[in-house]
Amino acid sequence: SQTIHQWPATLVQPVGSPLSLECTVEGTSNPNLYWYRQAAGRGLQLLFYSVGIGQISSEVPQNLSASRPQDRQFILSSKKLLLSDSGFYLCAWNPGHRSSPLHFGNGTRLTVT
Amino acid sequence: GQQVMQIPQYQHVQEGEDFTTYCNSSTTLSNIQWYKQRPGGHPVFLIQLVKSGEVKKQKRLTFQFGEAKKNSSLHITATQTTDVGTYFCAGMGSQGNLIFGKGTKLSVKP
Repeated sequence: SQTIHQWPATLVQPVGSPLSLECTVEGTSNPNLYWYRQAAGRGLQLLFYSVGIGQISSEVPQNLSASRPQDRQFILSSKKLLLSDSGFYLCAWNPGHRSSPLHFGNGTRLTVT
Repeated sequence: GQQVMQIPQYQHVQEGEDFTTYCNSSTTLSNIQWYKQRPGGHPVFLIQLVKSGEVKKQKRLTFQFGEAKKNSSLHITATQTTDVGTYFCAGMGSQGNLIFGKGTKLSVKP
């Protein structure tokens, strides 16, 4: 069966520090991969998605970047964190067509101080 | 851009009462998905509706997709404390992206 791993679960980082969040999917090949952010409140904002290795689409201009160095690995990065980067970051995947249901990781709760 | 509006934002009910959340889109959706996020957890997929006028049931949960494929609803009959959480709808728009509503946070008083 397919599983998605996301780490770390929580992170407290000072303003200006770098960020690297990692997500891996097991049990499937060539998944579509996504990074979402959920600010305090509840809405889910799509940050990046990838349909294949090295293919990244950005939904909103911001202080973050994403990379997909391997088929089932998706990384969210920042060179210098801002206070506004605090939030709950969720990695997700779905197979085949992008209209298929999403499977979310457990999320990373990031606090920038 | 395309938006999916979801109401209400919050709903407080007494255990045993019914609950309904509604989603509306300004454009036709190819499908609509519903997710549940428990407090402190991550969204979990509940169901996908594809056909115009489709109705699906999961135990006490009833999901509907409007005839024009622009609106949807989730109805929970006789809520239980285990139903607590935030319910999101997500519509697939013409650009191929899933657009999430802002969610309805349900609290259930025992």
